[in-house]
Order: sequence, then C-alpha cells, then structure tokens
Amino acid sequence: NAGVTQTPKFRILKIGQSMTLQCTQDMNHNYMYWYRQDPGMGLKLIYYSVGAGITDKGEVPNGYNVSRSTTEDFPLRLELAAPSQTSVYFCASSYPGQTGEGEKLFFGSGTQLSVL
Amino acid sequence: RKEVEQDPGPFNVPEGATVAFNCTYSNSASQSFFWYRQDCRKEPKLLMSVYSSGNEDGRFTAQLNRASQYISLLIRDSKLSDSATYLCVVNLYNNNDMRFGAGTRLTVKP
Repeated sequence: NAGVTQTPKFRILKIGQSMTLQCTQDMNHNYMYWYRQDPGMGLKLIYYSVGAGITDKGEVPNGYNVSRSTTEDFPLRLELAAPSQTSVYFCASSYPGQTGEGEKLFFGSGTQLSVL
Repeated sequence: RKEVEQDPGPFNVPEGATVAFNCTYSNSASQSFFWYRQDCRKEPKLLMSVYSSGNEDGRFTAQLNRASQYISLLIRDSKLSDSATYLCVVNLYNNNDMRFGAGTRLTVKP
C-alpha cells in the first residue's frame, strides 16, 4: 500500500491564481481530511469527508472547496489564491470503524504552498 | 478557553531527563485523545492513544484527567531522537473532527 499520496510537494502561486491539491489513498478509508499548518502552529481542519459524496466544513474552510466523488480521492481546490493561504497542507485519512486503530490519522507527506 | 491548548514550550532538556507535557481541552464530553509526534517539515505520526486508565509504551506514559479536562505525556530517560514537536489531538465533539493543539517543541541535548 502506498498509503496517502499528495501532489504536488511544492507550489508557488501568484495572487488570484487557482489550483487543485490532489490527495489519494489506497487503504479503503472512508474518512478523509484536509489540514493546513502555519509556521509554529498546530494543524487546522479545512474540510473533511466521511464518505464518497459527503463533505463538511472544518475550522477554516473559507477560500477552499472540496469534492469526494470516490472513496480514494479528496482534492482540495483554491479558487483565488491569497497570501494568507501560504501554508503547509496535509491530507489525512482514517477508518473509524476499524477495531484498535480506528481513529488513527494517516497523513500524506504534505504540500508546501506559497502565494506571492 | 481555547479548544485544545498545550504548553507552549520549547522544552530543552539533557539526555536522560524526564519531561512532561500537558494539554487541556474545552469539551468535557470528548471521548478520544491522542499524542502525535511531528519531526521538522514532516507529517505528524501517531505516538500513542490516551486511554481513561492511563497507558504506557516503553518510556512514554499518557494520562487522562477528565475532571480537570487535560491529558499529559511523560517521557522518561529522554533520548536525542525524542527531539520533535509533540501534538495533542482531541476528537473534540466525538465526530472525528480531530482538533490539534499548537504543539510543544522538545529538544534533547547531549
């Protein structure tokens, strides 16, 4: 299993540009998450999904959109990039119905995004 | 009160020292608690879950105090390799919307 795969690893955007951060997992996890982490801070939840076709806002959803058309994929869309969206983005998945490690979050390796 | 709040640190300790971190949470009904470790510029990784009765994994001990709404992590006999940021994570509203503390940075020095 590859686990959780995020692309790209690095990206520089100009203000007002749009882009999609890709996230895919091959563990058949039903829950998927997008977090952002600003320097010296903990992770803030942007959006999460409990299954295909279902998405919910987290703490900091403004400026982002998501979709969950399949169990495997959970892309994050930035429509009009702003400097405040400069951050490290982590995608994660979990399988709450699994005995033992059900709530364990499996993370991708992150995307460093700079908006200039 | 912040939803999940940790000791700000940083903690700088010598090898072999014992160090403890605390984390408070705002919702008394929260049921699940975790400690994650994050190395510089890397993704967080689960260190241990925190159970009601407290639990131990080698040099690491996690405890939960429901009355005071905090969890703790104790590291004994610190190693250089323990240097990292430790993140407190709470399933705050029991809906798998995991909330992270800001993290406590630990540096273990020779």
